[in-house]
Amino acid sequence: DTGVSQNPRHKITKRGQNVTFRCDPISEHNRLYWYRQTLGQGPEFLTYFQNEAQLEKSRLLSDRFSAERPKGSFSTLEIQRTEQGDSAMYLCASSTRTGGPGLAKNIQYFGAGTRLSVL
Amino acid sequence: GEDVEQSLFLSVREGDSSVINCTYTDSSSTYLYWYKQEPGAGLQLLTYIFSNMDMKQDQRLTVLLNKKDKHLSLRIADTQTGDSAIYFCAESNSGGYQKVTFGIGTKLQVIP
Repeated sequence: DTGVSQNPRHKITKRGQNVTFRCDPISEHNRLYWYRQTLGQGPEFLTYFQNEAQLEKSRLLSDRFSAERPKGSFSTLEIQRTEQGDSAMYLCASSTRTGGPGLAKNIQYFGAGTRLSVL
Repeated sequence: GEDVEQSLFLSVREGDSSVINCTYTDSSSTYLYWYKQEPGAGLQLLTYIFSNMDMKQDQRLTVLLNKKDKHLSLRIADTQTGDSAIYFCAESNSGGYQKVTFGIGTKLQVIP
């Protein structure tokens, strides 16, 4: 397994447009997380999935944001009517409670992120 | 709520040891982490320590945990120019969904 994969790596959009990002977690990781990182800050939690169920959402996740994880595998994060304040790095992480070869249990492994620029 | 604090900047000479410090507030923290982020890249897990440990060593990295003072440090021995990056201290607990709370990051500059 090559780790958590995120696409696209970069996205430039105009204000008001909708964007969608994809995250493919480490296979067999049943937990998936989205974080947002603005310039000069640490990542902040957005939302969490266990299998296909979205179990927790941060107050940072406004109603313009929606995340899905159909079938409990990959996840998508959609931002509708983007605003300049949405410009950030969007990071995805995955984990498992059981661990595996070379992977510790309950530890979140991060993807390379999708950098969004809203013009 | 949870809070993680760390200094913003550290500069060291190549070959010296670097020590990055962090304090956290959540007494129920179970896992404490150090992640590394290079410019424009995602987060690389460097190491982690369970709250019932006080030290962990992994090659050039040594993590020290003072649970009483809620203080975590990362020591990098023989610091190299390739160690230049931002280092994030982070914590999570074992309950619920284990949200990770990050500090603001310490930028390590290694001078050749």
